[in-house]
Amino acid sequence: SQELEQSPQSLIVQEGKNLTINCTSSKTLYGLYWYKQKYGEGLIFLMMLQKGGEEKSHEKITAKLDEKKQQSSLHITASQPSHAGIYLCGAEAGKFYFGSGTKLNVKP
Amino acid sequence: EAGVAQSPRYKIIEKRQSVAFWCNPISGHATLYWYQQILGQGPKLLIQFQNNGVVDDSQLPKDRFSAERLKGVDSTLKIQPAKLEDSAVYLCASSLLGGTSGPQETQYFGPGTRLLVL
Repeated sequence: SQELEQSPQSLIVQEGKNLTINCTSSKTLYGLYWYKQKYGEGLIFLMMLQKGGEEKSHEKITAKLDEKKQQSSLHITASQPSHAGIYLCGAEAGKFYFGSGTKLNVKP
Repeated sequence: EAGVAQSPRYKIIEKRQSVAFWCNPISGHATLYWYQQILGQGPKLLIQFQNNGVVDDSQLPKDRFSAERLKGVDSTLKIQPAKLEDSAVYLCASSLLGGTSGPQETQYFGPGTRLLVL
């Protein structure tokens, strides 16, 4: 949706490299969700951010919500082939919206 | 804890035919969502139920799509008649509470039903 813009659209990285995915909103975010989707499967919840400046980590994945609460970034440290998939950000603005996703490939 | 169940996983039909999808949410979850995900795009919310009432169906093409959640548990989504552009993955999700104000509760997704309309 145009309410949430994700960049880049796709990404290929070498195993072990770090990477960052961005999600930008045209409106103030009151709750920003990150999901991961593998081909042919449903979405897997990664983490939720609510407060400006909030940062959460799970294993090698860290997500931040900026102070002005209009942008979030997802950072993967030392990427592995298991990180491959489509990363989607989602947020509520009247109804729930998703970005168009970032397709990540990790080359062994 | 069992996750969100959906069936069938795959369906191939011809245009103008009818099709129905079924979803069983996580036990105790009040809110249920149906999304349409077209290849290469993010999921688009079609309809949101809280218990057996509709919270939002503003993006549901009501001339051909219908959904119900009898007894506030299972839900079915129907397309009649199907068009070529309905080819997509239909995702069902549920959350404990949800609602129209404040931050949404975390949504948990089923595996989806992949529909191909020929």
